[in-house]
Amino acid sequence: AQSVTQPDIHITVSEGASLELRCNYSYGATPYLFWYVQSPGQGLQLLLKYFSGDTLVQGIKGFEAEFKRSQSSFNLRKPSVHWSDAAEYFCAVGLTGGGNKLTFGTGTQLKVEL
Amino acid sequence: GAVVSQHPSRVICKSGTSVKIECRSLDFQATTMFWYRQFPKQSLMLMATSNEGSKATYEQGVEKDKFLINHASLTLSTLTVTSAHPEDSSFYICSARVGTLNYGYTFGSGTRLTVV
Repeated sequence: AQSVTQPDIHITVSEGASLELRCNYSYGATPYLFWYVQSPGQGLQLLLKYFSGDTLVQGIKGFEAEFKRSQSSFNLRKPSVHWSDAAEYFCAVGLTGGGNKLTFGTGTQLKVEL
Repeated sequence: GAVVSQHPSRVICKSGTSVKIECRSLDFQATTMFWYRQFPKQSLMLMATSNEGSKATYEQGVEKDKFLINHASLTLSTLTVTSAHPEDSSFYICSARVGTLNYGYTFGSGTRLTVV
């Protein structure tokens, strides 16, 4: 079965600093990959997704992610973090079979220091 | 586009009662919807996949008789927590698949259920 690992439970960065959130997946083939953001008490908002093609994906709010097949990784990056980026970030894997279900990582809580 | 509306956002109920949570796709037809449960500071755990006009598919370990799912139309799926107990208190989130998987998923804003 596929799995998703987000090694960092908490990350704190200063406003204006760069950010990288890690995500590793385990699956026999190339899965569909997603990054979602969740504010407290809210649902999830899609930041970006990767299916095929260019391995560097641009998303909303200035986020980007790079798919690296050799490392089974899909890390999320942002050049300059804003205080409003403080939230929970989830990496997810989707498959074409098995009911098209998403498997989520455990999430990374981002704190932004002013 | 592709908005999912989930109601209520918060609900408090007494032990032993039932609670219904609605998930509506506002501007698209959702043949498949998903119900997740999220414990504090944890990830989303898929409970069941809801397909319009057919029985829901539950994940292993999820009690079908406790968590009743109905997907009677292309725009509405409901989750009913029956005979609720304090351990059912959680954050429940629905999502709908928009078109094929390539379109991604749209999530509702979640329901905070507290059973007292």
